[in-house]
Amino acid sequence: GESVGLHLPTLSVQEGDNSIINCAYSNSASDYFIWYKQESGKGPQFIIDIRSNMDKRQGQRVTVLLNKTVKHLSLQIAATQPGDSAVYFCAETLWGKFQFGAGTQVVVTP
Amino acid sequence: SQTIHQWPATLVQPVGSPLSLECTVEGTSNPNLYWYRQAAGRGLQLLFYSVGIGQISSEVPQNLSASRPQDRQFILSSKKLLLSDSGFYLCAWSPGQFGEKLFFGSGTQLSVL
Repeated sequence: GESVGLHLPTLSVQEGDNSIINCAYSNSASDYFIWYKQESGKGPQFIIDIRSNMDKRQGQRVTVLLNKTVKHLSLQIAATQPGDSAVYFCAETLWGKFQFGAGTQVVVTP
Repeated sequence: SQTIHQWPATLVQPVGSPLSLECTVEGTSNPNLYWYRQAAGRGLQLLFYSVGIGQISSEVPQNLSASRPQDRQFILSSKKLLLSDSGFYLCAWSPGQFGEKLFFGSGTQLSVL
């Protein structure tokens, strides 16, 4: 069953540094991936996506890397800002079904 | 641009009372619509999804039901709430081609007491 108060992995980053958030996905056949940012009490916000036929995609201050060999996805945030503090989680899809990770808590320190 | 509206933001209901959460999407037609539940520190659990009006698929047997009376409206309901129904409920939509891009509403924090 589910437990209340389960602690997420935490990444503490100093303001201005780059952040790297990792995600291990479960299905080697997954063909599409999304990174989300979720602030406390709010809905997840779409950050960036990538298809399985790519290994890198860049957005504004963010880069997603996909390593299909080891089923690993990462999100890099450049010049991390206080507003980047949130939970970040990845999603994978196969045959139109989305599966989500629990997430990583990112804390930006001054 | 497309927007998704979900309400209410918070809800406190007694055990045994009914539930109705509403979600609407603007700026697109024939979206795929979803209801998820999120437990603290856990991943999202898919409850229902819909690819068209009146078409509802249930992923998890439970005390809840969903309806899609209009193309861009998705409703989550219960006749009698249980304590275990407490949680953070999220509506989401994706474009017509199933499995691409998924956008979430702002969520409803439901507390059943």
